[in-house]
Amino acid sequence: NAGVTQTPKFQVLKTGQSMTLQCAQDMNHNSMYWYRQDPGMGLRLIYYSASEGTTDKGEVPNGYNVSRLNKREFSLRLESAAPSQTSVYFCASSRDILAGANVLTFGAGSRLTVL
Amino acid sequence: ILNVEQSPQSLHVQEGDSTNFTCSFPSSNFYALHWYRWETAKSPEALFVMTLNGDEKKKGRISATLNTKEGYSYLYIKGSQPEDSATYLCAFGGYTGTASKLTFGTGTRLQVTL
Repeated sequence: NAGVTQTPKFQVLKTGQSMTLQCAQDMNHNSMYWYRQDPGMGLRLIYYSASEGTTDKGEVPNGYNVSRLNKREFSLRLESAAPSQTSVYFCASSRDILAGANVLTFGAGSRLTVL
Repeated sequence: ILNVEQSPQSLHVQEGDSTNFTCSFPSSNFYALHWYRWETAKSPEALFVMTLNGDEKKKGRISATLNTKEGYSYLYIKGSQPEDSATYLCAFGGYTGTASKLTFGTGTRLQVTL
């Protein structure tokens, strides 16, 4: 039972390069999220998808784009990477968008370094 | 920006000690409070979701209480074991009640030694 799988685990980019982080869940969850984790800060939401076919900005969306490819997959794209995007990225999913009824299931994280 | 604070930032206890830490959050517009356990090099795992003032949840040796009127939740670990070593995160859900509005604290890092 894989849960939430994200790739790659590690990536080093040069400033200006682009890349896509992939995320897939096998729990038939409706809602998916992308967070970033920076030292001394709580997890911050970049983008989310409440249900298949919808995406919305979170707290820190600048410099990112997302695609909800289907119910299982939610990708995060950095079009022109900047050093400020050096971070650990977590994908998560939940049965639906209601915070009171559902916990988040997280992927293992992707460590991105932008030089 | 919502203020969700966890204290202490880190804690070092001996095996067998009981311990507790605090998550403080806004006392208005409360909807839900989540607790997660995050071991190094792994992904955060859900412990509890609490929604009602006075809620108490228990999972093995770990329990949590919730006071929405004063804006805090306690997480207790009874008889700490080395495998309890992890960072414990809380997340406050308010206003819209959606998970997209969860605000995470920075965590309490627990280290349990023999």
